[in-house]
Amino acid sequence: QQQVKQSPQSLIVQKGGISIINCAYENTAFDYFPWYQQFPGKGPALLIAIRPDVSEKKEGRFTISFNKSAKQFSLHIMDSQPGDSATYFCAASEGAGANNLFFGTGTRLTVIP
Amino acid sequence: DTAVSQTPKYLVTQMGNDKSIKCEQNLGHDTMYWYKQDSKKFLKIMFSYNNKELIINETVPNRFSPKSPDKAHLNLHINSLELGDSAVYFCASSLGLHSGNTIYFGEGSWLTVV
Repeated sequence: QQQVKQSPQSLIVQKGGISIINCAYENTAFDYFPWYQQFPGKGPALLIAIRPDVSEKKEGRFTISFNKSAKQFSLHIMDSQPGDSATYFCAASEGAGANNLFFGTGTRLTVIP
Repeated sequence: DTAVSQTPKYLVTQMGNDKSIKCEQNLGHDTMYWYKQDSKKFLKIMFSYNNKELIINETVPNRFSPKSPDKAHLNLHINSLELGDSAVYFCASSLGLHSGNTIYFGEGSWLTVV
């Protein structure tokens, strides 16, 4: 079964707007929640990550919001740019011993000029 | 310098053939992985190796056999290819096994079985 649920499947945002992608999980043992960005023809690359001991992490225009009680986390892209157009994956992993990342199903973001 | 490099990038082959994908990382990492991305872009781990030892072997047919000659290399050999094996295969690496170690992906190998 899908360990991490992601929505929406696709998103179209105007340049300068805010892009929001949501994820939810069930496994309370997950302790690391990264977001990966994938451009066409390339491999996924780490964008930003959060641990469950904080509720928010910001890096430039990218912010992760984390709600431990609801088991949800989201990526906010402020002032979205055409260069942000890519597929975004949330993911989660647990503890030591495997570093097994469970990925969401991906969100294809298109930022129109 | 490419951190995680895999070859070939594109591979078109007939059903029943055997093929290999090679992967090398120059990051000095201890852990390497193979992920599969299907036509719907869903990414799923297949194998992980730590210092040449198999750690994770997800539910993958026996036709898939990883080999790690040293900790910088993790190759994937696929026997008796089937149409359903068509996908993008990503090699990846991380410093170690602990959750939170950033996983670095290669650019992918596009496998098409006809």
